[in-house]
Formats: sequence, structure tokens, C-alpha cells
Amino acid sequence: KAGVTQTPRYLIKTRGQQVTLSCSPISGHRSVSWYQQTPGQGLQFLFEYFSETQRNKGNFPGRFSGRQFSNSRSEMNVSTLELGDSALYLCASSADTPNTEAFFGQGTRLTVV
Amino acid sequence: AQSVTQLDSQVPVFEEAPVELRCNYSSSVSVYLFWYVQYPNQGLQLLLKYLSGSTLVKGINGFEAEFNKSQTSFHLRKPSVHISDTAEYFCAVRILTGGGNKLTFGTGTQLKVEL
Repeated sequence: KAGVTQTPRYLIKTRGQQVTLSCSPISGHRSVSWYQQTPGQGLQFLFEYFSETQRNKGNFPGRFSGRQFSNSRSEMNVSTLELGDSALYLCASSADTPNTEAFFGQGTRLTVV
Repeated sequence: AQSVTQLDSQVPVFEEAPVELRCNYSSSVSVYLFWYVQYPNQGLQLLLKYLSGSTLVKGINGFEAEFNKSQTSFHLRKPSVHISDTAEYFCAVRILTGGGNKLTFGTGTQLKVEL
């Protein structure tokens, strides 16, 4: 069974640009969550999508958005990039049953210069 | 809201020595508890989880954790560590109902195993 796949693994963008990150969950998982990891703030929840609908949202500005497709693949977009957006972005997929756990991808390392 | 506290940001330990990584949580509702490990430039890997039942939970790589409801703690232990256990460890909680799959993480503990 393939794991969670995130693409690309590394990205370098310039301030003011926008970026789109992709996540393919484990087959059969309909829940996809996104997290931002930085040395200063640790792991912060961005949002969760389930069956193409945003189910939960963290405390991030509107520049951070996401979506989920009918095949459960998810994308997150960051517009008007700031230096502080430099981080490791992690995607997690879950089977959405009560006793399940989240499975994480290897992440996308975004560097904003 | 839930919160997770990992008091130790770094824990140095010699190989083959025992180790305990501390985790305390705060929540007004019942939660599931997890420990994840992260190796450099990697995602998170689940070590173990507490959902219900026995308060002593065994995980992968010889790790175990004990859920203590009265002290709201979920400390991670290993009786004898190996060099390969050097990594960052995260404690996390998820509420039982109404929160979807949102995880709230602690700030992490860097375990450094030395020869």
C-alpha cells in the first residue's frame, strides 16, 4: 500500500509569489490535513479536508487556502508569499474511523527568499 | 481548546541507558493521545497511540507510554536506547468527537543518544 505522497519535496520562491503544494493520500483515505512546521512555532494545524469539504481550519491568514478533489488528492495554496512562510509543510491522511491515526507524508520544504 | 506541553526541549542520553520523554496535556473533553517520531528531513512516523483500554501502551522500536488520566500525562519510555533513536519526538492529542482528525502537537523533544 503506497504511503502519503507530497510533491514537490523542495521549493524556492520569491516574496510576493504564490505556490501550490500537492498531497496524494493513502488509497481509501478521505481525510487530508495540512500542517506547517517551523523551528519557532513547531507544528501548526492549517486545515483539514474530508470528502472535498473543509472540515476544520486553523488560525492562519486567508493567504493560505486548500482544496480537495474527488479522488481525495489535496492541494494547498499560499498567495503573496512572505519570508515567514518558509517552513516544512506536512500532509497527513486518515481513514476517518474513530480508532484511526494520521499518516504523514515526507513534506514539502518551502523556502521564500 | 486543547494544549500539549513537552517540558524538555532536548534530552541527551547515553546508548543503552533508559529514557523518559515527558508529555502533559490539557483538554476539557476526552482525547486520543499519540507519540510521533521525526527523523531529519522526514515526515512524522507514529510510535504509539492511546485510544482506550489498558493505560500502558506498547509501540514500535521498543517504546512504550503510560496514560495517566489524573495527572493528564502520557510519558514515553524506552528501557535501553540505541544511537538510531536519535530524532525528534512529538506528543499529540486529538479530541474524540467533533474535531475531525485535527491533531494538536507539543513543541517536540530532541532526543540525542551518545556513545
